Amino acid sequence: DAGVTQSPTHLIKTRGQQVTLRCSPISGHKSVSWYQQVLGQGPQFIFQYYEKEERGRGNFPDRFSARQFPNYSSELNVNALLLGDSALYLCASRLRDSGSLLAGGGTQYFGPGTRLLVL
Amino acid sequence: SQQGEEDPQALSIQEGENATMNCSYKTSINNLQWYRQNSGRGLVHLILIRSNEREKHSGRLRVTLDTSKKSSSLLITASRAADTASYFCATAGGSSGAGSYQLTFGKGTKLSVIP
Repeated sequence: DAGVTQSPTHLIKTRGQQVTLRCSPISGHKSVSWYQQVLGQGPQFIFQYYEKEERGRGNFPDRFSARQFPNYSSELNVNALLLGDSALYLCASRLRDSGSLLAGGGTQYFGPGTRLLVL
Repeated sequence: SQQGEEDPQALSIQEGENATMNCSYKTSINNLQWYRQNSGRGLVHLILIRSNEREKHSGRLRVTLDTSKKSSSLLITASRAADTASYFCATAGGSSGAGSYQLTFGKGTKLSVIP
């Protein structure tokens, strides 16, 4: 089975532009999350979607938005790009939303990421 | 914001030696996971330990969890050059709501295994 796929792999934009990043989860996975990883840091949570509904949002400005489609793929949009938005954007999928974390649920499967450079 | 801190930030060892990385976190958790990242690409899940477990093994990996100290350690035995990567701990929150599935990562430990 294919893993999580993301497109494009690399992207260069200028300040003020808008960007759309795409993610396809593992077949059968209904939950998609987005993370931003700035160079030298760990990933930071941006959004979580399950069954096309937003289930969580991290501490990011309203310039960041996302959506999930009926086929469970997802898009992350960033408007009015800033230099500080330069980062690796990671998408992760998970089998289901419910289920006990204590029982071991919550493993996420990450895609290769989209590296965004804002000039 | 980052949940925890990995220690050390960087570690260089010879092939065949053991590598130990530590992780501390701040809030209550349901589980703690370790991920590996090669050269700034996607993360690979290594192992998950539940909050009611103290130790877990998977191949050459051994993870311990001490919830009283809010800390975890990852031991890689008999390291190989292919283990060279950054290693991150990530916690899944202590609440039972859907938001608790989001992962909070530390800053990572960069491991270099010298052949």
